[in-house]
Amino acid sequence: DAGITQSPRHKVTETGTPVTLRCHQTENHRYMYWYRQDPGHGLRLIHYSYGVKDTDKGEVSDGYSVSRSKTEDFLLTLESATSSQTSVYFCAIRSGVNEKLFFGSGTQLSVL
Amino acid sequence: DQQVKQNSPSLSVQEGRISILNCDYTNSMFDYFLWYKKYPAEGPTFLISISSIKDKNEDGRFTVFLNKSAKHLSLHIVPSQPGDSAVYFCAARVKSSGDKLTFGTGTRLAVRP
Repeated sequence: DAGITQSPRHKVTETGTPVTLRCHQTENHRYMYWYRQDPGHGLRLIHYSYGVKDTDKGEVSDGYSVSRSKTEDFLLTLESATSSQTSVYFCAIRSGVNEKLFFGSGTQLSVL
Repeated sequence: DQQVKQNSPSLSVQEGRISILNCDYTNSMFDYFLWYKKYPAEGPTFLISISSIKDKNEDGRFTVFLNKSAKHLSLHIVPSQPGDSAVYFCAARVKSSGDKLTFGTGTRLAVRP
C-alpha cells in the first residue's frame, strides 16, 4: 500500500462547514496528489505537492485548499463544503521510476 | 474537455475468454500511458504502463497496445478470470506537466464464471 493512510475513511457533514482530509505517508515521497472520483468523470486532480510548502492546482481546485508543512502529511481542506463536493477522495504518492502513482484507500465524503 | 476517454462504461466477458478495454486520447503531447484497476472501497492500483516510444507492453496475462496515429490504446486480458472483475482506468501523462496524470472515466469489467 506504499505506506499511505487517509483519514477519516468516511465523513458526513453539512453544507457550509469546513472539512479537512488528511493523507499521511511513511516513505518520504516528495510528490503527493489529491484526486476525487465521481461517476462519469473518473479521477480528477484537485491539488498536488512537489515538496514541503510547494503545492499547485489541478483541474478541479475551486473550493479546495491544501497544505504540506511536513513531508509526510498532505492536507486537503474544504473551507465551506457544498453538496457538489460529495465524492470519494483519493490521496496518491509518486514513487520512483516512470511516474507510477500509488493510491490510498480513499475517503468517502458526503455533504448534506 | 475530456482528454482521455473510455467510451465503454461496462464490459462483460466469460471466464477464460479475452477482455479488451479501450481508451482514446486527444492530446498528442501525452508521452506515457498507464492502466489502473480499482476494486470497490479500495484505491486504484497500478496494472501496466507503456511509453509512447513503444507500441506494445506485456506483463503476464495483461498486454497494453498503443496506436499513436489513432490516439488509441487498449488493454487485453487473456485469459480473463473472475478476480479481474473491477473498474479499469486508463491514464496519460504529459512529460512537462509536473508528472500529473489525466484519467479516463473508467470501464467496469465483469468476468462471468
